[in-house]
This record gives sequence, structure tokens and C-alpha cells, in this order.
Amino acid sequence: ETGVTQSPTHLIKTRGQQVTLRCSSQSGHNTVSWYQQALGQGPQFIFQYYREEENGRGNFPPRFSGLQFPNYSSELNVNALELDDSALYLCASSPDRDSPLHFGNGTRLTVT
Amino acid sequence: AQSVSQHNHHVILSEAASLELGCNYSYGGTVNLFWYVQYPGQHLQLLLKYFSGDPLVKGIKGFEAEFIKSKFSFNLRKPSVQWSDTAEYFCAVNGEPGNMLTFGGGTRLMVKP
Repeated sequence: ETGVTQSPTHLIKTRGQQVTLRCSSQSGHNTVSWYQQALGQGPQFIFQYYREEENGRGNFPPRFSGLQFPNYSSELNVNALELDDSALYLCASSPDRDSPLHFGNGTRLTVT
Repeated sequence: AQSVSQHNHHVILSEAASLELGCNYSYGGTVNLFWYVQYPGQHLQLLLKYFSGDPLVKGIKGFEAEFIKSKFSFNLRKPSVQWSDTAEYFCAVNGEPGNMLTFGGGTRLMVKP
């Protein structure tokens, strides 16, 4: 048990729609990261938040955005969904920016 | 930019066989290296990590990995696999301050009983 909870577990959306994925981290975990894992591939870093501010970003367009809240919850928002956005989205948290990550089970997003 | 290559995409072994999964990374600076495992239907779990010091690191469940700086490699080993080791294994690196990871494509291991 990692203490990282993601919701929903599965989601189906239509191209062009917007989606919000949610993550709840362990108390005291000030860093939250989001990864996209396409089928058959390794996770790709989307962005990281530290104490509610974006701390780093991977090679993803601005339609991928996030929020981190003081209660150790966070959101990943994706606008204007494309078919290629279909993937498993992983949330990971850690106490600080140097500790190993604790991953949630992910949200599987299907865009049709 | 950093990158990670895992050359074995699928590996099938019989129980008690020895395991070695390859991982090579591309990054010129100081790196932290990780192996994560994803059992069927479960979340990614940390197997072991290398930050500094002894290049041979031991992790959970009898796994170990050796960091060879000159070869930019961090191969995962286990002397004798069990059926319960069936999972997908990911090598990851972070070369920047912080824990923003670059993952390899993964190796799917199947252990036959």
C-alpha cells in the first residue's frame, strides 16, 4: 500500500472533451508528479508540483495542466482530448524533491 | 536530454533460472538510478535505487543491480527467479536535482513454474 489513491480508475471520453483526474497523496508528501504510460511503453514524465507550484515539466503541450492543493490532493487536467491521449495516467508522491516516488494504481483514460 | 534503453522487451524463464535485465542510460552528469517493478494489476513499486557509494546495490526480494559508470549501465540481476517474479520491470534515471524520472520502455518477465 503506497498511500497514493487515484480516481477514477477508468474513464472514457470523446475527442475534444476535457478531463480531470484526481490524486490523493500521503500526508506530508509535498511533491506530486504525474506520468503518462501508453500501452506497451514506460511512464513518461508530464510535470511535478512542489508545495503547490509547478516544479518541472516534461515534453507535454500546455493543454496538460495541473493543480496541487494544501490537503495533499492534486489534479491533472487535459483539454481538447486527442486519441493519442489514451493511456494510463500515474500519480506519484514523495515527501520532498529528492526521495523515491510512491506511485498510485493509475487512471486508465480511453479517448474515442 | 536523458534517455533510458531496456533492450529486452520480453523475457521468459523457468523457475530457478538466473535473471539479468539490461538497462543503459544516456546522460553525461551525475545520475540517480532506479529499478521499479509492476506486478499484474498493481502499482509501480521500487525494487532498488542507486544514489552513490557501492555500485552494487541490493534491493527487495533478492534483486540486485550493478552500476557500471563506464558503460552507462545499471543491469538488474537475480540468481534464482520464482513464479511470483512475473511482472514488468522498469529502469529509470534522474539526472537533474529532484526526482523527475525518465523511464525505459520496460521488460516483461514471465516465469514458468
